[in-house]
Amino acid sequence: EVQLVESGGGLVQPGGSLRLSCAASGFTFSSYWMSWVRQAPGKGLEWVANIKQDGSEKYYVDSVKGRFTISRDNAKNSLYLQMNSLRAEDTAVYYCARDFEGSSPSPLGYWGQGTLVTVSS
Amino acid sequence: EIVLTQSPATLSLSPGERATLSCGASQSVSSSYLAWYQQKPGLAPRLLIYDASSRATGIPDRFSGSGSGTDFTLTISRLEPEDFAVYYCQQYGSSPPWTFGQGTKVEIK
Repeated sequence: EVQLVESGGGLVQPGGSLRLSCAASGFTFSSYWMSWVRQAPGKGLEWVANIKQDGSEKYYVDSVKGRFTISRDNAKNSLYLQMNSLRAEDTAVYYCARDFEGSSPSPLGYWGQGTLVTVSS
Repeated sequence: EIVLTQSPATLSLSPGERATLSCGASQSVSSSYLAWYQQKPGLAPRLLIYDASSRATGIPDRFSGSGSGTDFTLTISRLEPEDFAVYYCQQYGSSPPWTFGQGTKVEIK
């Protein structure tokens, strides 16, 4: 069974940093693109970033470019999101998601339960 | 960036009725790489439809997707009580970002 478990969320002050982690199990982690998607309270879904199987390609939504960094450790079956210079508008539940299929392009077929990041003073 | 616009924002229907949700794209979606997701309160989204018309694993056949280019539709043939939720479309075929629509809430009338 595919499992994705996020951790690392919490309350952080504006301008601060936070590192999210996603532990993957139940599949060959190194065979899939992985993504982060966020959802502000009461709002819709926003794709944030994704990373290729070997980490050689990474893409970001414009609003986080230069502030967020996606990475992965295939030996540890883990996905990360380093978030710096956080703003109030980054407040959201952050979901880790796996591509549905191993070949690109592919929708997001499996999701974690999400971790809440709150940016506030 | 491709902008996806969903309509209506809210759909009020009774169990057993047919639901038709629309998703319009600001430019053509490459190779119909469009997906639909269902989200219930407090839960993560669930993939329903991909490549515009293919049902994901375990999705009941009352859910169907259609469309191409800039106009896409999700149809729920007969609403079950568990189908009342928010539905999002997403394109994943062009260059990033892989954008989502703003969502359509299907509520009980």
